[in-house]
Amino acid sequence: GDSVTQMEGPVTLSEEAFLTINCTYTATGYPSLFWYVQYPGEGLQLLLKATKADDKGSNKGFEATYRKETTSFHLEKGSVQVSDSAVYFCALSDFTSYDKVIFGPGTSLSVIP
Amino acid sequence: DADVTQTPRNRITKTGKRIMLECSQTKGHDRMYWYRQDPGLGLRLIYYSFDVKDINKGEISDGYSVSRQAQAKFSLSLESAIPNQTALYFCATSAYNEQFFGPGTRLTVL
Repeated sequence: GDSVTQMEGPVTLSEEAFLTINCTYTATGYPSLFWYVQYPGEGLQLLLKATKADDKGSNKGFEATYRKETTSFHLEKGSVQVSDSAVYFCALSDFTSYDKVIFGPGTSLSVIP
Repeated sequence: DADVTQTPRNRITKTGKRIMLECSQTKGHDRMYWYRQDPGLGLRLIYYSFDVKDINKGEISDGYSVSRQAQAKFSLSLESAIPNQTALYFCATSAYNEQFFGPGTRLTVL
Protein backbone atom coordinates (compact mmCIF):
# COMPACT_ATOMS: atom_id res chain seq x y z
CA GLY A 1 0.00 0.00 0.00
CA ASP A 2 0.87 3.66 -0.11
CA SER A 3 3.37 4.90 2.46
CA VAL A 4 5.49 7.88 3.49
CA THR A 5 8.98 7.81 4.99
CA GLN A 6 10.64 10.76 6.70
CA MET A 7 14.07 11.35 8.14
CA GLU A 8 14.20 10.59 11.82
CA GLY A 9 14.46 13.36 14.34
CA PRO A 10 14.78 15.17 16.47
CA VAL A 11 16.56 17.84 14.46
CA THR A 12 18.22 20.70 16.35
CA LEU A 13 19.42 23.78 14.47
CA SER A 14 20.70 27.20 15.35
CA GLU A 15 18.68 30.21 14.27
CA GLU A 16 19.32 31.21 10.64
CA ALA A 17 20.60 27.76 9.70
CA PHE A 18 19.47 25.96 6.54
CA LEU A 19 16.83 23.28 7.00
CA THR A 20 16.20 20.13 5.00
CA ILE A 21 13.79 17.43 6.07
CA ASN A 22 13.78 14.46 3.72
CA CYS A 23 10.58 12.74 2.63
CA THR A 24 10.07 9.88 0.22
CA TYR A 25 6.86 8.13 -0.71
CA THR A 26 5.50 4.96 -2.23
CA ALA A 27 2.26 5.17 -4.17
CA THR A 28 0.59 3.20 -6.92
CA GLY A 29 -1.19 6.20 -8.44
CA TYR A 30 -0.37 9.87 -8.83
CA PRO A 31 -0.76 11.33 -5.36
CA SER A 32 -0.86 14.88 -4.11
CA LEU A 33 1.88 15.59 -1.58
CA PHE A 34 1.71 17.72 1.55
CA TRP A 35 3.70 19.05 4.45
CA TYR A 36 1.75 19.63 7.65
CA VAL A 37 3.15 21.35 10.74
CA GLN A 38 2.17 20.79 14.36
CA TYR A 39 3.13 23.50 16.83
CA PRO A 40 3.31 22.55 20.52
CA GLY A 41 -0.11 21.86 21.99
CA GLU A 42 -1.94 22.30 18.70
CA GLY A 43 -3.41 20.23 15.90
CA LEU A 44 -1.79 19.85 12.51
CA GLN A 45 -2.12 22.58 9.92
CA LEU A 46 -1.28 22.53 6.25
CA LEU A 47 2.07 24.16 5.47
CA LEU A 48 2.29 23.56 1.71
CA LYS A 49 1.25 21.15 -1.00
CA ALA A 50 1.97 20.04 -4.57
CA THR A 51 -0.45 18.21 -6.78
CA LYS A 52 1.66 17.01 -9.72
CA ALA A 53 5.21 16.23 -10.71
CA ASP A 54 7.65 19.18 -10.72
CA ASP A 55 5.22 21.41 -8.83
CA LYS A 56 6.81 23.47 -6.07
CA GLY A 57 4.80 24.23 -2.96
CA SER A 58 5.85 27.19 -0.84
CA ASN A 59 4.66 29.01 2.28
CA LYS A 60 6.26 31.03 5.11
CA GLY A 61 9.71 30.62 3.55
CA PHE A 62 9.40 26.84 3.30
CA GLU A 63 9.58 25.07 -0.07
CA ALA A 64 9.21 21.53 -1.38
CA THR A 65 9.33 20.21 -4.94
CA TYR A 66 7.40 17.15 -6.12
CA ARG A 67 10.02 14.86 -7.66
CA LYS A 68 8.35 11.92 -9.35
CA GLU A 69 11.60 10.39 -10.60
CA THR A 70 12.97 10.08 -7.06
CA THR A 71 9.55 9.80 -5.34
CA SER A 72 10.58 12.58 -2.99
CA PHE A 73 9.16 15.78 -1.50
CA HIS A 74 11.91 17.24 0.68
CA LEU A 75 11.12 20.26 2.83
CA GLU A 76 13.61 23.17 2.83
CA LYS A 77 13.97 26.57 4.40
CA GLY A 78 16.91 28.85 3.93
CA SER A 79 16.98 30.47 7.37
CA VAL A 80 15.04 28.97 10.27
CA GLN A 81 13.69 30.92 13.22
CA VAL A 82 12.94 29.89 16.78
CA SER A 83 9.25 30.12 15.90
CA ASP A 84 9.71 27.29 13.37
CA SER A 85 10.20 24.81 16.21
CA ALA A 86 7.49 22.22 15.64
CA VAL A 87 6.84 18.71 14.34
CA TYR A 88 6.68 18.41 10.56
CA PHE A 89 4.68 15.70 8.81
CA CYS A 90 5.02 14.68 5.19
CA ALA A 91 1.83 13.20 3.76
CA LEU A 92 0.21 12.00 0.56
CA SER A 93 -3.30 11.69 -0.72
CA ASP A 94 -4.44 9.86 -3.80
CA PHE A 95 -7.60 11.01 -5.56
CA THR A 96 -8.73 7.42 -5.71
CA SER A 97 -8.80 7.30 -1.89
CA TYR A 98 -11.30 10.16 -1.53
CA ASP A 99 -9.26 12.56 0.59
CA LYS A 100 -7.78 9.89 2.83
CA VAL A 101 -4.34 11.06 3.81
CA ILE A 102 -1.35 8.90 4.72
CA PHE A 103 1.07 10.58 7.09
CA GLY A 104 4.73 10.00 7.73
CA PRO A 105 5.91 9.57 11.34
CA GLY A 106 6.82 13.24 11.76
CA THR A 107 10.14 15.01 12.32
CA SER A 108 10.61 17.16 15.39
CA LEU A 109 12.53 20.39 14.80
CA SER A 110 14.01 22.53 17.57
CA VAL A 111 15.59 25.86 16.67
CA ILE A 112 17.83 27.40 19.31
CA PRO A 113 18.77 31.09 19.46
CA ASP B 1 -13.79 30.78 17.07
CA ALA B 2 -12.04 27.59 16.01
CA ASP B 3 -13.45 25.84 12.96
CA VAL B 4 -12.93 22.33 14.39
CA THR B 5 -13.40 21.86 18.12
CA GLN B 6 -12.88 18.81 20.31
CA THR B 7 -14.09 18.02 23.80
CA PRO B 8 -12.68 17.21 26.24
CA ARG B 9 -9.13 18.46 25.69
CA ASN B 10 -7.74 16.16 28.34
CA ARG B 11 -9.17 13.05 29.96
CA ILE B 12 -7.85 10.52 32.41
CA THR B 13 -9.85 7.34 32.84
CA LYS B 14 -9.54 3.79 34.10
CA THR B 15 -9.35 0.49 32.27
CA GLY B 16 -12.78 -0.80 31.31
CA LYS B 17 -14.56 2.56 31.33
CA ARG B 18 -16.59 3.82 28.38
CA ILE B 19 -15.33 7.08 26.95
CA MET B 20 -16.74 9.41 24.30
CA LEU B 21 -14.72 12.05 22.51
CA GLU B 22 -16.68 14.68 20.64
CA CYS B 23 -15.90 16.73 17.58
CA SER B 24 -17.79 19.65 16.08
CA GLN B 25 -17.04 21.70 12.99
CA THR B 26 -18.33 24.92 11.50
CA LYS B 27 -16.59 24.56 8.15
CA GLY B 28 -19.56 22.94 6.44
CA HIS B 29 -17.49 20.00 5.23
CA ASP B 30 -19.08 16.63 4.62
CA ARG B 31 -15.93 14.62 5.26
CA MET B 32 -14.74 14.01 8.81
CA TYR B 33 -12.01 11.82 10.29
CA TRP B 34 -10.69 10.50 13.58
CA TYR B 35 -6.94 9.87 14.01
CA ARG B 36 -4.73 8.86 16.87
CA GLN B 37 -1.18 10.11 17.27
CA ASP B 38 1.51 8.11 19.02
CA PRO B 39 5.17 9.12 19.32
CA GLY B 40 7.17 7.90 16.33
CA LEU B 41 4.12 6.55 14.52
CA GLY B 42 2.63 9.69 13.07
CA LEU B 43 -1.14 9.80 12.67
CA ARG B 44 -3.17 6.66 12.08
CA LEU B 45 -6.70 6.72 10.79
CA ILE B 46 -9.36 5.20 13.06
CA TYR B 47 -12.62 5.98 11.24
CA TYR B 48 -13.81 8.34 8.54
CA SER B 49 -17.17 9.57 7.31
CA PHE B 50 -18.00 11.11 3.95
CA ASP B 51 -21.49 12.14 4.98
CA VAL B 52 -24.03 11.46 7.72
CA LYS B 53 -24.98 8.07 6.28
CA ASP B 54 -21.49 6.92 5.32
CA ILE B 55 -19.11 5.56 7.98
CA ASN B 56 -15.92 3.66 7.18
CA LYS B 57 -13.25 1.89 9.17
CA GLY B 58 -9.70 3.09 9.00
CA GLU B 59 -6.52 1.14 9.62
CA ILE B 60 -6.92 0.81 13.41
CA SER B 61 -10.66 0.68 14.13
CA ASP B 62 -10.63 -2.26 16.57
CA GLY B 63 -11.77 -1.18 20.03
CA TYR B 64 -13.38 2.02 18.72
CA SER B 65 -16.78 3.04 17.38
CA VAL B 66 -18.11 6.28 15.93
CA SER B 67 -21.36 8.15 15.47
CA ARG B 68 -22.08 10.87 12.92
CA GLN B 69 -24.97 12.71 14.55
CA ALA B 70 -25.11 15.50 11.99
CA GLN B 71 -22.93 17.00 9.29
CA ALA B 72 -21.21 19.06 11.97
CA LYS B 73 -20.75 16.39 14.65
CA PHE B 74 -18.65 13.22 14.70
CA SER B 75 -18.06 11.34 17.97
CA LEU B 76 -15.54 8.64 18.81
CA SER B 77 -16.26 6.08 21.52
CA LEU B 78 -14.07 3.63 23.37
CA GLU B 79 -16.51 1.04 24.68
CA SER B 80 -14.07 -0.44 27.19
CA ALA B 81 -10.88 1.56 27.42
CA ILE B 82 -7.51 -0.18 27.74
CA PRO B 83 -4.07 1.31 28.53
CA ASN B 84 -2.71 0.98 24.98
CA GLN B 85 -5.41 3.41 23.85
CA THR B 86 -3.54 6.12 25.69
CA ALA B 87 -2.76 8.61 22.92
CA LEU B 88 -3.49 12.00 21.43
CA TYR B 89 -6.69 11.91 19.36
CA PHE B 90 -7.43 14.30 16.52
CA CYS B 91 -10.60 15.02 14.62
CA ALA B 92 -10.31 16.50 11.13
CA THR B 93 -12.47 17.63 8.24
CA SER B 94 -11.45 17.86 4.63
CA ALA B 95 -12.22 19.54 1.36
CA TYR B 96 -10.26 19.58 -1.92
CA ASN B 97 -7.58 17.31 -0.47
CA GLU B 98 -6.74 19.62 2.45
CA GLN B 99 -7.38 18.46 5.99
CA PHE B 100 -8.33 20.77 8.86
CA PHE B 101 -7.54 19.51 12.33
CA GLY B 102 -8.99 20.12 15.74
CA PRO B 103 -6.70 20.87 18.70
CA GLY B 104 -6.67 17.27 19.92
CA THR B 105 -7.78 15.32 22.98
CA ARG B 106 -5.12 13.83 25.21
CA LEU B 107 -6.50 10.58 26.62
CA THR B 108 -4.80 8.60 29.36
CA VAL B 109 -6.09 5.16 30.31
CA LEU B 110 -4.77 3.90 33.64
